[in-house]
Amino acid sequence: DAGVIQSPRHEVTEMGQEVTLRCKPISGHNSLFWYRQTMMRGLELLIYFNNNVPIDDSGMPEDRFSAKMPNASFSTLKIQPSEPRDSAVYFCSSGNNEQFFGPGTRLTVL
Amino acid sequence: RKEVEQDPGPFNVPEGATVAFNCTYSNSASQSFFWYRQDCRKEPKLLMSVYSSGNEDGRFTAQLNRASQYISLLIRDSKLSDSATYLCVAYQAGTALIFGKGTTLSVSS
Repeated sequence: DAGVIQSPRHEVTEMGQEVTLRCKPISGHNSLFWYRQTMMRGLELLIYFNNNVPIDDSGMPEDRFSAKMPNASFSTLKIQPSEPRDSAVYFCSSGNNEQFFGPGTRLTVL
Repeated sequence: RKEVEQDPGPFNVPEGATVAFNCTYSNSASQSFFWYRQDCRKEPKLLMSVYSSGNEDGRFTAQLNRASQYISLLIRDSKLSDSATYLCVAYQAGTALIFGKGTTLSVSS
């Protein structure tokens, strides 16, 4: 198995642009998680899904952030419009008991 | 107050040293605990689970004290390759993993 796949690996965009981050979980995993990591705040849970259904989105910072999981093999995290303070590494992870992380997307908003 | 708290370090130790990391959690309903390791510019990876009776994996020993809501990780005979950030994690059934901000370890020759 290739593990959790995230794309793009790096994204540089300008303030106000829409950003879409993508994740392919490991096949057979029931849960998918989106995290954001910064030096100041560490690793923060944004949202997670069980069997494609959003369970807890209380970590989503504001309405500019949205996440979808249309099927068991794909999820997106969208930021619209993006702001410089959204600059961070965004991780997707999947699992049943143990969680496996993807390599992350390093987002820079200028 | 953050749910899982760790001393951020950095811990700078020579090869062969023994080093201990501590972590406290605030949610008494947490049921499972883990240590993850994160290398620079990489994703977190599970290092080991933490059991109430304490558990050992080679040079690594993890301990849990539920009464004090305290978790520890002991690394013996440190290697250069142990240099990383160690994340303490708490989990309550039906929720997601809650990560501490991590403790940075630097092992030098």
